[in-house]
Amino acid sequence: AQSVTQLDSQVPVFEEAPVELRCNYSSSVSVYLFWYVQYPNQGLQLLLKYLSGSTLVKGINGFEAEFNKSQTSFHLRKPSVHISDTAEYFCAVSGTNAGKSTFGDGTTLTVKP
Amino acid sequence: DTGVSQNPRHKITKRGQNVTFRCDPISEHNRLYWYRQTLGQGPEFLTYFQNEAQLEKSRLLSDRFSAERPKGSFSTLEIQRTEQGDSAMYLCASSLSSGNEQFFGPGTRLTVL
Repeated sequence: AQSVTQLDSQVPVFEEAPVELRCNYSSSVSVYLFWYVQYPNQGLQLLLKYLSGSTLVKGINGFEAEFNKSQTSFHLRKPSVHISDTAEYFCAVSGTNAGKSTFGDGTTLTVKP
Repeated sequence: DTGVSQNPRHKITKRGQNVTFRCDPISEHNRLYWYRQTLGQGPEFLTYFQNEAQLEKSRLLSDRFSAERPKGSFSTLEIQRTEQGDSAMYLCASSLSSGNEQFFGPGTRLTVL
């Protein structure tokens, strides 16, 4: 079984500032890791994923995340945020042989002008 | 390819009534997933199919819930004798069996009065 903890429920930040959204996971098996974004009244959209290989993963909209196996973390970062990045962000994990994903409870990113 | 679609987008029903939701996945995707999302929480896994076979069902899922994917294409999720606690957003996702990237639909929002 897997579990995901998103350490911050809300992150307010000013426009053009850097941001980090934290995600820790636990699993007894090898995992795939994902970050999704959800805008109001919309479905989830994949930002980036870690399947294997390089631990630094680049995604859409200028986001990146680093897989740290020893710390069981997969933090999401962006060097300069925009107002349009305001949304809910979900970290998710799945076993490499499993179908389902287990999601964290989300982090609300609010970008202020 | 227009992505994953779900119908209806909104459903209001009275307690005790049955409801059925439909999901049309991306056409070449073999796997189809159902999740439930309540306010302030991440999506919670309900069940998933590979082609027409239901491979896993959450043990948290009440017997009032049933899902089918009869021809390995679209899927339906039925809730019998709805309760107020069933009010949530029901999300459908699909993926290729060879990978774990899930593409989500916009969801069906259920309100049980």
